[in-house]
Amino acid sequence: NAGVTQTPKFRVLKTGQSMTLLCAQDMNHEYMYWYRQDPGMGLRLIHYSVGEGTTAKGEVPDGYNVSRLKKQNFLLGLESAAPSQTSVYFCASSTTRTSGYVNTGELFFGEGSRLTVL
Amino acid sequence: AQRVTQPEKLLSVFKGAPVELKCNYSYSGSPELFWYVQYSRQRLQLLLRHISRESIKGFTADLNKGETSFHLKKPFAQEEDSAMYYCALNTNAGKSTFGDGTTLTVKP
Repeated sequence: NAGVTQTPKFRVLKTGQSMTLLCAQDMNHEYMYWYRQDPGMGLRLIHYSVGEGTTAKGEVPDGYNVSRLKKQNFLLGLESAAPSQTSVYFCASSTTRTSGYVNTGELFFGEGSRLTVL
Repeated sequence: AQRVTQPEKLLSVFKGAPVELKCNYSYSGSPELFWYVQYSRQRLQLLLRHISRESIKGFTADLNKGETSFHLKKPFAQEEDSAMYYCALNTNAGKSTFGDGTTLTVKP
């Protein structure tokens, strides 16, 4: 059981280049998330999705786009990379156990993708 | 808007000493709170969640709605507890918000 898989694991870009990070999960989870992790700033939510074909903005969405065309995949795109986007990116997926309207499911994380923008 | 605050970026204790990692939250609804841990060279994983009221690896956390806190505690720290710990809040609409994390170092 692979769980959550991110590709690529490492990438170096020049300013202005574009790229896509792919997240795939094989647990049939409805919810998927993209976070970035920066020293001293913890995990910040970029975008998330509560189901196939739906996406929503998180705390730091500027400069990123996402798509969820298939339930198992969540793509994060950088159209014009900037040095400020140098970070470690984590994808996660979640079950949808609910208590009232709140998701009580835990998040399952990928191994992370380290992106450097020069 | 929801917010999770972990006031200590770094925490260092000696082996066998008690440890408490603080977490405060702000959210107008009914929160679902979690602690995640990231050991060196491993992916983030769930440590415990408040709804389960469970104890994992000797850690416990109690939700205090009056103080809006969900502090993580362990009576006797072990060297293998050294890791980054994140407190997280699930809200309605599927959003999961994390604190800035606390790096715990347990010295021999």
